[in-house]
Amino acid sequence: GNSVTQMEGPVTLSEEAFLTINCTYTATGYPSLFWYVQYPGEGLQLLLKATKADDKGSNKGFEATYRKETTSFHLEKGSVQVSDSAVYFCALRAQAAGNKLTFGGGTRVLVKP
Amino acid sequence: GAVVSQHPSWVICKSGTSVKIECRSLDFQATTMFWYRQFPKQSLMLMATSNEGSKATYEQGVEKDKFLINHASLTLSTLTVTSAHPEDSSFYICSSLAGVYNEQFFGPGTRLTVL
Repeated sequence: GNSVTQMEGPVTLSEEAFLTINCTYTATGYPSLFWYVQYPGEGLQLLLKATKADDKGSNKGFEATYRKETTSFHLEKGSVQVSDSAVYFCALRAQAAGNKLTFGGGTRVLVKP
Repeated sequence: GAVVSQHPSWVICKSGTSVKIECRSLDFQATTMFWYRQFPKQSLMLMATSNEGSKATYEQGVEKDKFLINHASLTLSTLTVTSAHPEDSSFYICSSLAGVYNEQFFGPGTRLTVL
């Protein structure tokens, strides 16, 4: 079946540090890949997405590239801010599974001033 | 992007009572809505897929008689936790599938605490 594996947190960083959150997936066919962010006490917000191999999703300084050869979709940001403190979820949507999303376990990021 | 609301945002109830949670797509019609459950510091677990005008499809291990889902209109789906127990305490999140964007938009979540 489909699955998503992402690095466990928490990840603690200082402001302006470089952030990487690793995400790898297993899926049949060609899934779409997503990163969602969840701020404390809130629901999920779509951060970025990529729908085919070599696509790069980007938003708010975050980037992730769909790597089919390594089945990965790592999230990166060059200079984090305190406001980036949140839980980040990698997810995939496979055509064979309809419109269901499969989520990774989430990675908590804490940015200290 | 599309907006999804949930009501209430938090609820506390006594064991044995039933609680209804509403999920609304505010500016688009959603033929499909999803209900998730999230335990503290864990990922989202899909509970069921709700299709307007038809019965919900539940994931394996989710009790359909305990978690009643109704999707009576294109903008409203409800989840009723029946005879709630403390182990039902959780964060419940809905999402709506916006066809025009071909993606799910998530509600802000409802925190249920059963005493």
